Amino acid sequence: GAVVSQHPSWVICKSGTSVKIECRSLDFQATTMFWYRQFPKQSLMLMATSNEGSKATYEQGVEKDKFLINHASLTLSTLTVTSAHPEDSSFYICSATTSGRELPYNEQFFGPGTRLTVL
Amino acid sequence: QKEVEQNSGPLSVPEGAIASLNCTYSDRGSQSFFWYRQYSGKSPELIMFIYSNGDKEDGRFTAQLNKASQYVSLLIRDSQPSDSATYLCAVSRYSTLTFGKGTMLLVSP
Repeated sequence: GAVVSQHPSWVICKSGTSVKIECRSLDFQATTMFWYRQFPKQSLMLMATSNEGSKATYEQGVEKDKFLINHASLTLSTLTVTSAHPEDSSFYICSATTSGRELPYNEQFFGPGTRLTVL
Repeated sequence: QKEVEQNSGPLSVPEGAIASLNCTYSDRGSQSFFWYRQYSGKSPELIMFIYSNGDKEDGRFTAQLNKASQYVSLLIRDSQPSDSATYLCAVSRYSTLTFGKGTMLLVSP
């Protein structure tokens, strides 16, 4: 159980266009979803945290107007990179968690990632 | 600024040996500690988590936590070539994870 999917798995776009990435929890309801970005040989950097039905909380330095996050349902969150530029090329990974578990920490289940290349 | 530090490696070990991976963290309020394995081009997969000081064993893997020293380690016994990957240490306070840059492990046949 606890499967998270992302679509698309990779995308190539021209500079200035917008790209939407979907993150879905397939077999559980995700109360919280997280969006990470990973540059080559770097760590996963948290971009934002989103809770279903409310506005996302962005990490310091992440432009909320550039990276639009929508968490409209308990199984779907989307990240839209607006007016993408080559420096936005990266590996974008989502994760999802649910509430009500016994663990002190709600385990994050990671999606397979989306490789974005902006030309 | 919360920081998680790892030696980037690569750490090279022969097949069958013990691989020892280390991690230090700066936030004394960290509550949970995780080791993830990440293959190139893939997303991370959870290997182990630990909350309490001491050792936790799961198969070939042993996680060690020393909160006083702000230190977490992962031992991999009987290393296999398939263990070759980047190992990410992550710490959590409340619901968010802070990752280290990872240590690349290379297990040679």
